[in-house]
Amino acid sequence: SQQGEEDPQALSIQEGENATMNCSYKTSINNLQWYRQNSGRGLVHLILIRSNEREKHSGRLRVTLDTSKKSSSLLITASRAADTASYFCATDGSNDYKLSFGAGTTVTVRA
Amino acid sequence: DGGITQSPKYLFRKEGQNVTLSCEQNLNHDAMYWYRQDPGQGLRLIYYSQIVNDFQKGDIAEGYSVSREKKESFPLTVTSAQKNPTAFYLCASSIRTGGGLQPQHFGDGTRLSIL
Repeated sequence: SQQGEEDPQALSIQEGENATMNCSYKTSINNLQWYRQNSGRGLVHLILIRSNEREKHSGRLRVTLDTSKKSSSLLITASRAADTASYFCATDGSNDYKLSFGAGTTVTVRA
Repeated sequence: DGGITQSPKYLFRKEGQNVTLSCEQNLNHDAMYWYRQDPGQGLRLIYYSQIVNDFQKGDIAEGYSVSREKKESFPLTVTSAQKNPTAFYLCASSIRTGGGLQPQHFGDGTRLSIL
């Protein structure tokens, strides 16, 4: 079963704008990860946030985690055409053996 | 250059046929994973292996089989028992540590279709 659920399913923005997507999950976690997938390619790891962290930055990416609400958000600032991709959150639930992925948010950045 | 190589990129299966998807990594990772991705959906775990000669079923293992005879290799066989095999198959690997799963490195996938 899918532990993480992203929202919205799709997002279309103008180049230079910010993109925000959210992830909700159901059970307690050790950490939450965000991945990017370009069309027809494998996933690329973007950022990992641990359950005792509230915010993390990596370049133009900002991730927040609210364990009380069981939710996370990914913000991409100053978007570029190259940011066009699907973005997935993944959680490890209550074990160390497998990640559960959501269905993803498809982001289109218009030039 | 370290990474994960999946082959072939495209594969066609005839009815009643078993096909094997290759996954090789040179990242020295202990853990390897196979996922299935259907259009517009997330990844579903088929099998995973934490160490050589050991593997576990994931959420959708029926109709699939794997082996892990070498650390670098984790081939997936899609058997004739898998009635709906058309999908994008992704292999991944990661290091093993406690305190939560580590980032996974993915190959570029194999797209399997039925002839």
